[in-house]
Amino acid sequence: GNSVTQMEGPVTLSEEAFLTINCTYTATGYPSLFWYVQYPGEGLQLLLKATKADDKGSNKGFEATYRKETTSFHLEKGSVQVSDSAVYFCALSDRDYGQNFVFGPGTRLSVLP
Amino acid sequence: NAGVTQTPKFRILKIGQSMTLQCAQDMNHNYMYWYRQDPGMGLKLIYYSVGAGITDKGEVPNGYNVSRSTTEDFPLRLELAAPSQTSVYFCASSSSGTGPGELFFGEGSRLTVL
Repeated sequence: GNSVTQMEGPVTLSEEAFLTINCTYTATGYPSLFWYVQYPGEGLQLLLKATKADDKGSNKGFEATYRKETTSFHLEKGSVQVSDSAVYFCALSDRDYGQNFVFGPGTRLSVLP
Repeated sequence: NAGVTQTPKFRILKIGQSMTLQCAQDMNHNYMYWYRQDPGMGLKLIYYSVGAGITDKGEVPNGYNVSRSTTEDFPLRLELAAPSQTSVYFCASSSSGTGPGELFFGEGSRLTVL
């Protein structure tokens, strides 16, 4: 079945540091890939997405590129802020199987001033 | 813009009690989902619905029931609550179209079973 693997957390960085959160996936068909973010006490919200190979999703300074050859969708940001502290979830949706999303376990990021 | 609304936000139950978590969306989405999130874990799909009158089991359906009588509402019923059902529950919705769309989440319902 489909699955998503993320790097273990928690990740602690100083403000303005470079961020990478690794995500790899296993899927049949041609999935769309997503990064969701969950701020403390809130529900998940979409951060960015990519629907086909080599697409780059970007939002709020975050970027991720859909790499089919390595089945990866790593999240990056050049300079993190304290307000980026949250849990980040990688996810996929395989259109061949409808709208069923598969989420990774989440990576908690803490950014220190 | 209400989006996805969940009630209640917090609830404490005793073992064996029953309750219903309410979920409503006002975006005319045909797909709706219930997930649970346990500490340090990702989201697990409990049930989903592809439209009014149609529901199906997800990864962890045992101990839960759902119904979808309207497009807007997708309540989750817990029968005979157990401590293992202590979790945060998220309702979400999405729309069909040319491809998978993004999920819109409610703020969550934190349930504790003692």
